[in-house]
Amino acid sequence: SQKIEQNSEALNIQEGKTATLTCNYTNYSPAYLQWYRQDPGRGPVFLLLIRENEKEKRKERLKVTFDTTLKQSLFHITASQPADSATYLCALYGGSNYKLTFGKGTLLTVNP
Amino acid sequence: DGGITQSPKYLFRKEGQNVTLSCEQNLNHDAMYWYRQDPGQGLRLIYYSQIVNDFQKGDIAEGYSVSREKKESFPLTVTSAQKNPTAFYLCASRDSKRPGSYNEQFFGPGTRLTVL
Repeated sequence: SQKIEQNSEALNIQEGKTATLTCNYTNYSPAYLQWYRQDPGRGPVFLLLIRENEKEKRKERLKVTFDTTLKQSLFHITASQPADSATYLCALYGGSNYKLTFGKGTLLTVNP
Repeated sequence: DGGITQSPKYLFRKEGQNVTLSCEQNLNHDAMYWYRQDPGQGLRLIYYSQIVNDFQKGDIAEGYSVSREKKESFPLTVTSAQKNPTAFYLCASRDSKRPGSYNEQFFGPGTRLTVL
């Protein structure tokens, strides 16, 4: 069966360091992979999308990589700040009907 | 301001009662979605609609019903048949006509439903 795993339920890092979050998938051939940020009690907010033929995408301090051979995406936040503390969700679209499947998320805490 | 609104933010229901959650968007999006989120779980798709007057079941549709009579509105009814309805419910929309949008979804603020 199709499966998406975000390896860490929680990640704690020091301010200024680079946070790296992992999303692995099995039994998928996703055309697109997306990353969302979710703050407590609120809806997710879209951050970045990367296509299967793209290796890397950047937006300000954010960087996403997509390795279809390893079936893995890495999400990096450089120069992390306490305001980056949130849950980060990866989501895959791999078929018809435009359905996204979400991972369980990783709770990132950036300590000052 | 364009966006998605959900109401109410908090909802309490007695067992055996049906309850309807509102979702409205003024983004002119064709596609709309309902998700359920439980603690420690990812978002799970309940129902989705690509166009007005059409909708499909998602992965966990049992005990739920929807309608899509207007482009702007996609209400979700949680029926008494839903065995464990306490959860955080999220509505989303997507611009299916914009080139290159490919499933970027815009979410509402959510409704937290508690069954007493």
